[in-house]
Amino acid sequence: AQKITQTQPGMFVQEKEAVTLDCTYDTSDQSYGLFWYKQPSSGEMIFLIYQGSYDEQNATEGRYSLNFQKARKSANLVISASQLGDSAMYFCAMMRNQGGKLIFGQGTELSVKP
Amino acid sequence: DSGVTQTPKHLITATGQRVTLRCSPRSGDLSVYWYQQSLDQGLQFLIQYYNGEERAKGNILERFSAQQFPDLHSELNLSSLELGDSALYFCASSVGHVNPHEQYFGPGTRLTVT
Repeated sequence: AQKITQTQPGMFVQEKEAVTLDCTYDTSDQSYGLFWYKQPSSGEMIFLIYQGSYDEQNATEGRYSLNFQKARKSANLVISASQLGDSAMYFCAMMRNQGGKLIFGQGTELSVKP
Repeated sequence: DSGVTQTPKHLITATGQRVTLRCSPRSGDLSVYWYQQSLDQGLQFLIQYYNGEERAKGNILERFSAQQFPDLHSELNLSSLELGDSALYFCASSVGHVNPHEQYFGPGTRLTVT
């Protein structure tokens, strides 16, 4: 069965610094996708970044990058130059190659300090 | 704004009642997914529809049902409501239904059962 583990329930980072949110996954599939979503206090789920299991390069989207280490089954999110608006819950998720449902981790609550 | 709309935003109802949550996917998206977010269970996949047909089922209770209409909007029906059904219900949409792909989430419907 597929599983996502986020071991950091909460994290603090100083404004303008970089932060890494950890995510490990468990799957026996060879082909799959990994995602990060942001959930601000308003509640909506915002798609941030996607990494395919066969992508050789780490995905980047603006200040977000995904540090993908396939052998270690980790897909950490790196946020550079943190902003106050980055304070939110962050969810790591996985999707099998057949598509369909997202399997989510328990989330990490990030607080950015001024 | 993801382009996915959900109504209503908030719903307060009593145990034993029945409610209907509505979702309109992004223009051009054929797949609709329903997720439930609760404090104890986290984010859980409920059900997926693609172009009007059910594609996958997750941890959806028998008291819950869903459908996708010819205009691609979807409704999630929750009946015989219990206190434990109180949660944030998300609809998400995507273009396809196979291969890993981004899902775009609506703002959610917060259901409170009293």
